[in-house]
Order: sequence, then C-alpha cells, then structure tokens
Amino acid sequence: NAGVTQTPKFQVLKTGQSMTLQCAQDMNHEYMSWYRQDPGMGLRLIHYSVGAGITDQGEVPNGYNVSRSTTEDFPLRLLSAAPSQTSVYFCASRSRDRGLRGANVLTFGAGSRLTVL
Amino acid sequence: AQSVTQPDIHITVSEGASLELRCNYSYGATPYLFWYVQSPGQGLQLLLKYFSGDTLVQGIKGFEAEFKRSQSSFNLRKPSVHWSDAAEYFCAVDEGGSQGNLIFGKGTKLSVKP
Repeated sequence: NAGVTQTPKFQVLKTGQSMTLQCAQDMNHEYMSWYRQDPGMGLRLIHYSVGAGITDQGEVPNGYNVSRSTTEDFPLRLLSAAPSQTSVYFCASRSRDRGLRGANVLTFGAGSRLTVL
Repeated sequence: AQSVTQPDIHITVSEGASLELRCNYSYGATPYLFWYVQSPGQGLQLLLKYFSGDTLVQGIKGFEAEFKRSQSSFNLRKPSVHWSDAAEYFCAVDEGGSQGNLIFGKGTKLSVKP
C-alpha cells in the first residue's frame, strides 16, 4: 500500500518553462488536494478535487492548473513557471465521507521541491 | 473565514523537559482540529485529531492535546521531550462545508537541546 506518491521529488526550472507535478493515490480516496509550503507561511491550499471530473480553487490558485480524469491521479501543472513558484509542493488525499469518525484525515505525499530560476 | 494561529515560530526545550505548543483557531461551530508533525525533508504525519467528545485527545509518540472551546485553543503537549521530537509542528482546522479543506497554521519549529 503506497499511499500518496508524488513525482518528481526535486525539479529545477527556468522562468517560463512548463512542467507537471504528478500525484497518485491507491486508497480510492475521492478528495485530493495540492498545497504549497513556504518558510513562515505554513501550508496554503492551491487546488482541490472532491472526485473525478470535479476541481476547484483554493487560497493560492494563480499560475497553476489541475485536472482529475481518474480517482487515482491529480496532476498539478505550471504553465509558465515564475520564481515566486519556488516552493515545496504537497499532495494529499482523504475519503470524502465526512460522517465517519476519522474519515476526514488527510494523508500526505512526501513532497516535491521545485526551484524556478 | 476560519483561521489558525500558532503564536510561537520557534521553541527550544531541553531533552526531558515538558512541552506545550499553542494553537488558537477561529471557527463558529464545533471545529475539527488536527496536529501534524513534519520532520526535516519529510512529508506531514498526523499526530492527533479532535472531532467531538472527550476534549483531551491522545496521539502518537506520547503527544496529547486539549480542546478548550472557551479559549478557542487546541494546545499540544508532551510531558518529556526526546531529541527525536525536533521537527516542525502544524495545527490545522477543517474549514467546514461540503469540501472540508484544511486550513493550516504557519507552524512552530521545535528544537531540542541535549
């Protein structure tokens, strides 16, 4: 049981380049989300999805696109990278059921560290 | 809007000493509250959670937290800190609604002196 898998772990981009951060989970979780972590800022929500075909914006969505074609995968796309997007990115998932005790717990991936020069 | 405040950016304690990390939240109804820990270069691991019921919750690694509605607080405690507890700790609140996104505090970095 791999949980939440993020690739790549490290990436260096030049300004203006595009790339996709991959996220996959094998727990059949309906809810998936992307956060970015910056020093002194905690974790801020970029985008989230409550199921295949459904996505929505979080607190800091500008410069990022997402799609959810399957339950398992939730890629994060940077169309034109900027230095301000240098950060550590975390993908997380959980069951959507909010009625069961413990069902709301997020499981996090190990993170992807992105540097934009 | 819901929010989480962790007043202490960095705390240093001696090994074997007790620890309390503070967390205050802003939320109208009974909140769902969480504490996560992040070791250097790692992802986030759930320490404990509060959904309802007993206001003192036990977590992994000997941590506990107490929910105090009157103070809008959910402080994390450990009676005796080990060097391996050095990490960054995040408090989070479920923002409610049908999506239930988590709102995180800015974190408290814990250093442990030998």
